Amino acid sequence: EADIYQTPRYLVIGTGKKITLECSQTMGHDKMYWYQQDPGMELHLIHYSYGVNSTEKGDLSSESTVSRIRTEHFPLTLESARPSHTSQYLCASSDAGVSYNEQFFGPGTRLTVL
Amino acid sequence: GQNIDQPTEMTATEGAIVQINCTYQTSGFNGLFWYQQHAGEAPTFLSYNVLDGLEEKGRFSSFLSRSKGYSYLLLKELQMKDSASYLCAVLNDYKLSFGAGTTVTVRA
Repeated sequence: EADIYQTPRYLVIGTGKKITLECSQTMGHDKMYWYQQDPGMELHLIHYSYGVNSTEKGDLSSESTVSRIRTEHFPLTLESARPSHTSQYLCASSDAGVSYNEQFFGPGTRLTVL
Repeated sequence: GQNIDQPTEMTATEGAIVQINCTYQTSGFNGLFWYQQHAGEAPTFLSYNVLDGLEEKGRFSSFLSRSKGYSYLLLKELQMKDSASYLCAVLNDYKLSFGAGTTVTVRA
């Protein structure tokens, strides 16, 4: 069973607030990812990291930022939340030496910005 | 760019077989994954293909043809709990590109 955690699971917040979505994994995976998924729609990669101090933007442009100071931790920050940021955010991790480089997903954070 | 196509919805009866097709055109290819996602939950891994041919795993099988840019997921002996969205995803340089998913509804 994958050990990847996201907090909070649900967040309702007002416009203009700064928020940080937490993601942690205890598997020692070097690669981590953030996806955005609207209901019934596909997952879009918004950020990824190949290791500590490595961060890259994904295929979908996002106003969020990420950091990777520790292997196990990959938080995502929105400096000023807007209603257009309302979505589900999924964190994942993988490791080249593990099972087809399969990505293991966290349970997700459902964000609603009023 | 990445282009991954799969049908939006499929319906089948309990005990039946359903085949979900996926076609892809991507800038690179390091394998193809199928994930299952129940509503409101995270995707979970079902299968992985990197070479042409069929991979069988219990009630689920997945097929790949790299020359045709084509894969399918076969679900046999359908159960009510198989009602979910099935995501086709292509791996390229450690990054996954996902299709929009196929919602499978299993009826009694």
